[in-house]
Parts: sequence; C-alpha cells; structure tokens
Amino acid sequence: GAVVSQHPSRVICKSGTSVKIECRSLDFQATTMFWYRQFPKQSLMLMATSNEGSKATYEQGVEKDKFLINHASLTLSTLTVTSAHPEDSSFYICSARVSGNPWEQFFGPGTRLTVL
Amino acid sequence: SQQGEEDPQALSIQEGENATMNCSYKTSINNLQWYRQNSGRGLVHLILIRSNEREKHSGRLRVTLDTSKKSSSLLITASRAADTASYFCATDGSNTGKLIFGQGTTLQVKP
Repeated sequence: GAVVSQHPSRVICKSGTSVKIECRSLDFQATTMFWYRQFPKQSLMLMATSNEGSKATYEQGVEKDKFLINHASLTLSTLTVTSAHPEDSSFYICSARVSGNPWEQFFGPGTRLTVL
Repeated sequence: SQQGEEDPQALSIQEGENATMNCSYKTSINNLQWYRQNSGRGLVHLILIRSNEREKHSGRLRVTLDTSKKSSSLLITASRAADTASYFCATDGSNTGKLIFGQGTTLQVKP
C-alpha cells in the first residue's frame, strides 16, 4: 500500500523557536495533503488542507501565520510551527490523498512536538 | 470541529469476545471511514463505507451505516490482544478528503 512518511518523528525545542515538519508520499503523487493535530487522549483535529502549488486552506481557528504550510511538490508538504510555545506541544499527523481518488488517503506516522 | 461522537469512550474485553463501537455524526456524508491508532502512532485505515451502503465486511470487521439515524457501528469479532488500540470514525461530507473525526473509542483486549 501507499506509504507516507513524516520527519522528524519526535522533536523537542525551546520556546520561541520554529520547527519544520515534513510529510512525504513515498510511492505516489499527492496533490492534496492534510495536516492534523492531536492532543493527548483526544481525537484528531484538522488544521489545514495543503494543495500542491497553491496556498493552504486553514480551518477556522487555526492561525495561518503560526502554522506555515508549503506544498512545493507532488510528494512533499511541510508544516512550520513558528515561534513555538508550550501550548503548541502536540502530536502532528499528516495525510496524503491519492491524486484523482477522493476516497482514499494515507496517514503518516505522526510527529511528536514538545516545546519547553 | 469534531462532529462525531463515539461510544463507548473506553471498552475492555477478554480475548475472543466481540467488540462493538458506535459512532454518531451530525451532517450529511459521502462516506464514513474507520481508523485504528496504536498508542502514539499514526492511523491505519480499516474500512470505508459509502453513504449508499448499509453494511460492509472486511475480515473480522463488520461496519454498518444508518444514514437516517446518522450513526455507524464497528464490530470486531473474535478479538485478539493485538486489537488493543484506539478506534476512530471519520466522515467525509464533501468528497474533498477533509475528514472530521469522532472522539474515539479506546479498546483494551485482555489476553
């Protein structure tokens, strides 16, 4: 099956720094990728939709200047958490939708961000 | 915002027993999907049921969908310790792939 990778899997950073998380579709092209965040023992919350070659679409309440998303190629989307604070500590998960197939998407293994 | 609610929130059973989880949603959907998440890991897609389907099977999994009640259930038969995980339903109402997840059910299967 299709594989989506995320890098890094874990990151610890100091408050005020920026952190970049990569999401890659390894064996398929993904015109659309999605970014979710998950707090401990909670469900996934959709943050934004990332479309290759265009600006990301953010969900209500998600600060676009805080969470910068870039989808520069059909296999890579990045999420940058700018000026991270402890409340940004969370599990960030991406998913990639197979081009031309609205039904199927594959999830990455997630990135655990801890902001000290 | 989360539109799905799942019950129970937590379920503990013995190996070999069946586990049933329920999911309710609020808006119209094109399809409903079930995912499994092991602790601290990504999501694994289990099954997708379209809005015009009422029941679907995949191995030990059985999913039902009642669009009139806006609810779905996931049945895992003959559970195994390896089934221990959190299970989430997710709905797609717009065919855009934007999934709205339920709150999840944490299943523990005791050996």
